[in-house]
Amino acid sequence: EAQVTQNPRYLITVTGKKLTVTCSQNMNHEYMSWYRQDPGLGLRQIYYSMNVEVTDKGDVPEGYKVSRKEKRNFPLILESPSPNQTSLYFCASSLFAGGNEQFFGPGTRLTVL
Amino acid sequence: GENVEQHPSTLSVQEGDSAVIKCTYSDSASNYFPWYKQELGKRPQLIIDIRSNVGEKKDQRIAVTLNKTAKHFSLHITETQPEDSAVYFCAAKAYGQNFVFGPGTRLSVLP
Repeated sequence: EAQVTQNPRYLITVTGKKLTVTCSQNMNHEYMSWYRQDPGLGLRQIYYSMNVEVTDKGDVPEGYKVSRKEKRNFPLILESPSPNQTSLYFCASSLFAGGNEQFFGPGTRLTVL
Repeated sequence: GENVEQHPSTLSVQEGDSAVIKCTYSDSASNYFPWYKQELGKRPQLIIDIRSNVGEKKDQRIAVTLNKTAKHFSLHITETQPEDSAVYFCAAKAYGQNFVFGPGTRLSVLP
């Protein structure tokens, strides 16, 4: 089944404890991205990747890191999480960077205490 | 950078009526405009999209119109049904750039 998966789905952590949220797609998509969703603010793009080893900042990249060593995986890393990073996170992928349907993962709800 | 505004933030309609949601964008280089539907507790899903070389696109009860000169695009849902109740997001994107989403519209279809 074609899909985007994320893990974990729920995470409660404490300030400063490094964490990684994994994202994987099995559709051979070139474009992958991370969003955070906060009430009243919609979806804001954190980072995106147009292909392997190519990553770019979105609108809210501060406090996050990403890597794209393989086409299928695009992990999101929070080196030192803070309470303002408490949010719902979505990974998404699309076939190309030019503008195609994005397929979203199920979401990861992160709480930073 | 790109900025996308979306109105209204909430919309209530009677079942069977039409619903219209409007978005404006700022970057004239944007050429791809998708609309996503997000049901409560679920992930966003694409319902329709339009590219800048097309003025209108329709898929059954859903249509999107684009006015490049005015930099706005709209989602039209006809004959609304209770299952249309959700949050709808518009977005704009230029090639090689990031997606910028509007803040969302919560649509309630009243029986």
